Amino acid sequence: AQSVTQPDIHITVSEGASLELRCNYSYGATPYLFWYVQSPGQGLQLLLKYFSGDTLVQGIKGFEAEFKRSQSSFNLRKPSVHWSDAAEYFCAVGAPEYGNKLVFGAGTILRVKS
Amino acid sequence: EAGVTQFPSHSVIEKGQTVTLRCDPISGHDNLYWYRRVMGKEIKFLLHFVKESKQDESGMPNNRFLAERTGGTYSTLKVQPAELEDSGVYFCASSHPRRGGRDEQYFGPGTRLTVT
Repeated sequence: AQSVTQPDIHITVSEGASLELRCNYSYGATPYLFWYVQSPGQGLQLLLKYFSGDTLVQGIKGFEAEFKRSQSSFNLRKPSVHWSDAAEYFCAVGAPEYGNKLVFGAGTILRVKS
Repeated sequence: EAGVTQFPSHSVIEKGQTVTLRCDPISGHDNLYWYRRVMGKEIKFLLHFVKESKQDESGMPNNRFLAERTGGTYSTLKVQPAELEDSGVYFCASSHPRRGGRDEQYFGPGTRLTVT
């Protein structure tokens, strides 16, 4: 069975500082990997996805993530955080053999201090 | 293009009552998913429709939950009778089937259900 771990429940960074949110997954093969963001009062928005190929993927809002098979990780990064990035971030795993249902991590709440 | 919409946005009901949540997927999306997030827990899969057929309902908690998708368009999720542990946010997502299963699921804003 698939599982996803986001070890940080809360992270606080200063505006303009760099950000890395951690995500580790457990799955027998290479899964499909996603990062979603939920801003207050909003639904889940897809930031980026990895299916295959280049292990560094670019997403919206200046985010990127790197797939590292050896570490079973898919960490999300942003070089300079903006106050509007304050939200909850979810890493998710999917696989065709599981009907593409997503398995989510517990989420990381990002706070941005000015 | 309109996104996934869900109704209502909030619902407060008493234990034992019935509630029906509705999801309108993006037009043309054959795949429709229901997920739920109970307070303090992960977002968990409930079930998956392909058009009007239930493809996978392995995440449905028990038989108090009934999901339908009439004509392969909108979907409803009925909880009857509601229990306190059913409180949470119910998300709907839809996707267009892609080769190799490389679907991107688009989520609605969720329905926050509170059972008192």
